[in-house]
Amino acid sequence: DAKTTQPTSMDCAEGRAANLPCNHSTISGNEYVYWYRQIHSQGPQYIIHGLKNNETNEMASLIITEDRKSSTLILPHATLRDTAVYYCIAPGGADGLTFGKGTHLIIQP
Amino acid sequence: NAGVTQTPKFQVLKTGQSMTLQCAQDMNHNSMYWYRQDPGMGLRLIYYSASEGTTDKGEVPNGYNVSRLNKREFSLRLESAAPSQTSVYFCASSDAGYSNQPQHFGDGTRLSIL
Repeated sequence: DAKTTQPTSMDCAEGRAANLPCNHSTISGNEYVYWYRQIHSQGPQYIIHGLKNNETNEMASLIITEDRKSSTLILPHATLRDTAVYYCIAPGGADGLTFGKGTHLIIQP
Repeated sequence: NAGVTQTPKFQVLKTGQSMTLQCAQDMNHNSMYWYRQDPGMGLRLIYYSASEGTTDKGEVPNGYNVSRLNKREFSLRLESAAPSQTSVYFCASSDAGYSNQPQHFGDGTRLSIL
């Protein structure tokens, strides 16, 4: 797995866009970037993943820089229910995911 | 669609007792995983099964055994429970034969060993 670096915590106002950065400067050409979140000790929830192109689904958007050394997860209209720990992961193979400490996102009312 | 189902949700054991955590998935996934999560930490991989009939050690396999009973089910056994195994255990599955497929997680088993 490529090493990823995320801020420990972030705040965002309810209704605003939450932008969560991730650095993955050692990522190899065929490694995808995945984002998961974990809400208060529930099971991790898959959000989105991408390789080179920007991606969007019903939950979020993923912006990957052209050199692929960093990415940003965007929650377009954050709600209180988006308060969670967000993990950026770049697994190299099929032998499990390496979870770091992630970013604790707190949505403020 | 149930996804990944783990049983039991909670369990308290005494040191030295044994138990098996059950996991089943209904998504026809090839690969299954067991993780543990200790307070304030990320998940750590215990064992995984890339396909039916195969199992491999992860980062923290000591004190555990696994069985891939069939494509749907992957169980985790503690033969002689120790207080250090108090944790939340998560099972996951994926179509990892396709390298860009995400893992889907169950709701966890909260295990306390006294």
